[in-house]
Amino acid sequence: QVQLVESGGGVVQPGRSLRLSCAASGFTFSNYGMHWVRQAPGKGLEWVAVIWFDGNNKFYGDSVKGRFTISRDNSKNTLYLQMNSLRAEDTAVYYCARAPCSSTSCSTRFDFWGQGTVVTVSS
Amino acid sequence: DIQMTQSPSSLSASVGDRVTITCQSTQDISIYLNWYQQKPGKAPKLLIYDATNLETGVPARFSGGGYGTQFTFTIGSLQPEDIATYFCQHYHSPPLTFGGGTKVEIK
Repeated sequence: QVQLVESGGGVVQPGRSLRLSCAASGFTFSNYGMHWVRQAPGKGLEWVAVIWFDGNNKFYGDSVKGRFTISRDNSKNTLYLQMNSLRAEDTAVYYCARAPCSSTSCSTRFDFWGQGTVVTVSS
Repeated sequence: DIQMTQSPSSLSASVGDRVTITCQSTQDISIYLNWYQQKPGKAPKLLIYDATNLETGVPARFSGGGYGTQFTFTIGSLQPEDIATYFCQHYHSPPLTFGGGTKVEIK
């Protein structure tokens, strides 16, 4: 069965870095776009970033552009999110989500989600 | 950036009631609109994609409609297990954005 398991969350001081991972199984990872979506405590959903199935295209939300980097290793079926210069407002549950790719885009629908990993940015 | 305005932000209805949520985009997004259900402490779950298509395994009491800038999500007969928050999401072009959510409760 499809599984997405996030890891790497924790408590970190403002200005520091953290790397999240998302281990995928149960499907052909290299055929899908992969996204990170976050949810601050008691708030709605915020899209963070996407990486195309082959890693050749990446897009970011405005609030993380220049600070976060999305990447993937298709040989390891793993998605990553490198988060630098963390701020208090980055505190959230971070979900990885799978997206089928059309002929032109891997930003379609999030048809499967992991259970999330919690990131807390606090001094 | 395309913004999504979802309404109402919360609603209370009785079991068996028909419930409708609306989502409006600031630009024409064609059919590039999805709906998700999120229960407390859980990850979101895809219910409707491409504005009107029911995801595999989702009960037929859920439906979606609309095109362009105006979209609707309907629960045909509200069930106790439908208590959750529902979100719309566009995918016309990055950045992708979600509506603010609608919390559905039982009266």
